[in-house]
Amino acid sequence: EVQLVESGGGLVQPGGSLRLSCAASGFTFSSYAMHWVRQAPGKGLEYVSAISSNGGSTYYANSVKGRFTISRDNSKNTLYLQMGSLRAEDMAVYYCARGLFKQWLVPFVGDYWGQGTLVTVSS
Amino acid sequence: EIVLTQSPGTLSLSPGERATLSCRASQSVSSSYLAWYQQKPGQAPRLLIYGASSRATGIPDRFSGSGSGTDFTLTISRLEPEDFAVYYCQQYGSSPPNTFGQGTRLEIK
Repeated sequence: EVQLVESGGGLVQPGGSLRLSCAASGFTFSSYAMHWVRQAPGKGLEYVSAISSNGGSTYYANSVKGRFTISRDNSKNTLYLQMGSLRAEDMAVYYCARGLFKQWLVPFVGDYWGQGTLVTVSS
Repeated sequence: EIVLTQSPGTLSLSPGERATLSCRASQSVSSSYLAWYQQKPGQAPRLLIYGASSRATGIPDRFSGSGSGTDFTLTISRLEPEDFAVYYCQQYGSSPPNTFGQGTRLEIK
């Protein structure tokens, strides 16, 4: 059974940093591009970032480019999102998701999603 | 920038009825690269349809997708109680990639 479990969310002050993790199991993690999608409270979905299966290529939405860094450790079956210079508008539930098409980096179709982790940005 | 507009914002129907949800793009979606997701309160999105009309694994056949170009439709042929949720469309073929519609809330009448 495919499972994705996010962790690392919490309360952070504006301008602060936070690292999210997503532990994957039930599939060959190293064969799939992985993605982050976020959802502000009561709002819709926003695509954030992607990383290729071997970690060699990444993609960021303009809203987070230069502030967020996506990475992965295939030996630990774990995906990361390092978030910096956090703003109020970054407050959201962050979901990690597996790409339906294993090797597609940028075109995203999420076939499995984690339960999400909440990031609150407030002073 | 491609914008997806979903209508109606809220759809009130009864179990057993047919639901038709619309997703209109501001410009043509390349290769019909359009997906539909279902999201229930407190849960992650669930993939229903990709490629405009292909059902994802395990999705009941009462869910169907259609359309091309700028107009896409998600149809639920006979609503079950568990189908009441928010539905999002998402395009993955045009720039900027991976944009979502604002969602349609399907509620019990």
